[in-house]
Amino acid sequence: DAKTTQPNSMESNEEEPVHLPCNHSTISGTDYIHWYRQLPSQGPEYVIHGLTSNVNNRMASLAIAEDRKSSTLILHRATLRDAAVYYCILRVKETSGSRLTFGEGTQLTVNP
Amino acid sequence: DARVTQTPRHKVTEMGQEVTMRCQPILGHNTVFWYRQTMMQGLELLAYFRNRAPLDDSGMPKDRFSAEMPDATLATLKIQPSEPRDSAVYFCASGLVLLGQAYNEQFFGPGTRLTVL
Repeated sequence: DAKTTQPNSMESNEEEPVHLPCNHSTISGTDYIHWYRQLPSQGPEYVIHGLTSNVNNRMASLAIAEDRKSSTLILHRATLRDAAVYYCILRVKETSGSRLTFGEGTQLTVNP
Repeated sequence: DARVTQTPRHKVTEMGQEVTMRCQPILGHNTVFWYRQTMMQGLELLAYFRNRAPLDDSGMPKDRFSAEMPDATLATLKIQPSEPRDSAVYFCASGLVLLGQAYNEQFFGPGTRLTVL
């Protein structure tokens, strides 16, 4: 699977926007960019995904570079509940599988 | 609110004992995944099933681990014999994957925290 690179940790203040970067320079044309997050003592949960165009949902926005070699997860107004490890994952389009390969992720700390 | 459930939530056992972890996927989901999470290795995929058939178990130590889906509402992960290095949090996830669909969301359970003494 193509590899992603994320900062180990980031800090933000409550109610401010947060931009979480992810580099994926070896991405192929059919790889989907997924973001999951893991709150303390919980299983991971889906945040957002995209292929080429920017995406918005109720949780976050995903901005994808034109060359697709990087992407940014945007939390528009961070809350204390957003403190979690955020994983950027490339999912290969497969006919038989749906595997996700988790990296180390970015630990987001939100300060009150 | 449909959720993946896992039992037990915590398990402490002694080395050499058999451990069985259970997972109830979300009703209607056709794909089930088993992951293991440790501080050293992070989240690793152990095995996954589609329509109850194993698709990939290459991440699982075959000599002591086994995963099965006796029916569509139950997935099991068994370790026999258990060793201290198996101590970890084991997550089950389920999803609905349709033919030709490139994307699917995985829904994770709360995990089973296993400690092998």
